[in-house]
Amino acid sequence: NAGVTQTPKFRILKIGQSMTLQCTQDMNHNYMYWYRQDPGMGLKLIYYSVGAGITDKGEVPNGYNVSRSTTEDFPLRLELAAPSQTSVYFCASSLVYNEQFFGPGTRLTVL
Amino acid sequence: AQTVTQSQPEMSVQEAETVTLSCTYDTSESNYYLFWYKQPPSRQMILVIRQEAYKQQNATENRFSVNFQKAAKSFSLKISDSQLGDTAMYFCAFIFSGGSNYKLTFGKGTLLTVNP
Repeated sequence: NAGVTQTPKFRILKIGQSMTLQCTQDMNHNYMYWYRQDPGMGLKLIYYSVGAGITDKGEVPNGYNVSRSTTEDFPLRLELAAPSQTSVYFCASSLVYNEQFFGPGTRLTVL
Repeated sequence: AQTVTQSQPEMSVQEAETVTLSCTYDTSESNYYLFWYKQPPSRQMILVIRQEAYKQQNATENRFSVNFQKAAKSFSLKISDSQLGDTAMYFCAFIFSGGSNYKLTFGKGTLLTVNP
């Protein structure tokens, strides 16, 4: 099993550009999550999904959108990138209430 | 809302010694899970140990053990025989095990440095 994979690993965006962060898991987990981690801070939940077609907002959803058309994939869309979105983004998946398995992260810089 | 507090932003320990990282949490729920995650310089988040709130026995995983005090809402992590590879950021996390709340709440982390 590859576990949770994320692409790209690094990305630099200009202000106002858009991009999609990809996340795929091969563990057949229903629950998937997107977090951001700012320097020296813990993880903050952006969006989560409890199954295909079902998504909900976390703590910091503004400026982001998600979709979940399959169990395996949970892409995160950034529209109109802003410097405040410079962060490391982690995707995770889990069975309900169990440990969350994390991807390797995407380091995003918005200039 | 649940909150998780890690009061030690940084700690250091000598190789082969024992260190304890503190975590307290605030919740009105009685059924929940607690976790310690490790984030080494590679940034990969790795589960270290997990504790179910309904279990009185403290969880252990090799050199890692917890001291879970439910009444005090305390969940500390003890690392025995510290190794250089234990150098990492450690996050305490909480999830309520009921209803429709599937969100993991993290503390801000403790940076642990193991010195040779």
